[in-house]
Amino acid sequence: KQEVTQIPAALSVPEGENLVLNCSFTDSAIYNLQWFRQDPGKGLTSLLLIQSSQREQTSGRLNASLDKSSGRSTLYIAASQPGDSATYLCAVSQGGSEKLVFGKGTKLTVNP
Amino acid sequence: SQTIHQWPATLVQPVGSPLSLECTVEGTSNPNLYWYRQAAGRGLQLLFYSVGIGQISSEVPQNLSASRPQDRQFILSSKKLLLSDSGFYLCAWSVGDEGSFGQGTRLTVV
Repeated sequence: KQEVTQIPAALSVPEGENLVLNCSFTDSAIYNLQWFRQDPGKGLTSLLLIQSSQREQTSGRLNASLDKSSGRSTLYIAASQPGDSATYLCAVSQGGSEKLVFGKGTKLTVNP
Repeated sequence: SQTIHQWPATLVQPVGSPLSLECTVEGTSNPNLYWYRQAAGRGLQLLFYSVGIGQISSEVPQNLSASRPQDRQFILSSKKLLLSDSGFYLCAWSVGDEGSFGQGTRLTVV
């Protein structure tokens, strides 16, 4: 059974700092991995999608890496801003009907 | 472009009452549809998924059921709510690598 773990559970940083969020998964036979952002009481916004054959994806100040063999992914946020404050969720898909298995998330607070 | 609608946004229901949450998708055909739940202090958990009309798979035994009466409509139901059914419910769709989530329904069972 696939399990996804995110560390840390919560993170508070001053504005402008670069930071890394970690995600690990127990079964390396994944189809893809996604990072989502969730604002309080709202749905999820997909940030980055990494296919199992890829090593990383970049979008603006965000960079996600994937090391499938070791079961790890990181989300790097450069020059953090207060607007980045949210919960960041990592999820893996093992193909088929593209069901996602989620981690519990990292709650990020960026202080002005 | 594809859009997903989920309602209501918030709901307070007494224990033992029925539940019906609806989700509809526009701008795509034959999507996979999903219901997830996020309970307090826990991650998102897949409850049901559907690959076609009338085809429902349940991931977790529970007090809930799902139905897909039309290609782009997914309904989450319960005949009698329990306190433990409280949580944040998210509907989602996917076609290949494309997909998105609804805005969610905050359900409080009192």
